[in-house]
Amino acid sequence: NAGVMQNPRHLVRRRGQEARLRCSPMKGHSHVYWYRQLPEEGLKFMVYLQKENIIDESGMPKERFSAEFPKEGPSILRIQQVVRGDSAAYFCASSELRFMWTNTEAFFGQGTRLTVV
Amino acid sequence: ELKVEQNPLFLSMQEGKNYTIYCNYSTTSDRLYWYRQDPGKSLESLFVLLSNGAVKQEGRLMASLDTKARLSTLHITAAVHDLSATYFCAVDRETSGSRLTFGEGTQLTVNP
Repeated sequence: NAGVMQNPRHLVRRRGQEARLRCSPMKGHSHVYWYRQLPEEGLKFMVYLQKENIIDESGMPKERFSAEFPKEGPSILRIQQVVRGDSAAYFCASSELRFMWTNTEAFFGQGTRLTVV
Repeated sequence: ELKVEQNPLFLSMQEGKNYTIYCNYSTTSDRLYWYRQDPGKSLESLFVLLSNGAVKQEGRLMASLDTKARLSTLHITAAVHDLSATYFCAVDRETSGSRLTFGEGTQLTVNP
């Protein structure tokens, strides 16, 4: 059972370009979470999705950022018109059930390191 | 707003020594997690602590939870170089919409 797969691992974009980050959850997991990690900081929650639904996007910037988790295929985090401040590591995690269930745990992917030049 | 604070943020220790990392959080929490992150890598789950008084041990690491004090500790016994990494604690709450709130991380360096 492959773990959470993220690609690309490293992404370089010029200011103003679009960045698309992909996350394939673990087999059997239908809940996906995106987190952002700025250098030397902890992870900050961005968005929580279940298949075809955004459940909680309270951590997403209001502009330029969007996320989806279609019925088929990976979850996508999309950043339009990137700026230098978007440079960070973006981690995806998945879980089998919603997090609040006692025995549920989220598993993290290896992250996508976005560099905006 | 739930806040999670770790200390120390940087820890340099000698092999063979013991030390404790502290994790304080601001409001009641349903669960507390400890993760390890190596440079450029993902987060590896170490412990999940579910209830007051919970204690879990794996090798040289032991984690405990005191929900009344809103405090978790990660104790390192007889440190070895391989434990060098950044350690994060994180909490979640049922009312938070199923998201984790992370501490800033403790960067541990174990010197030979």
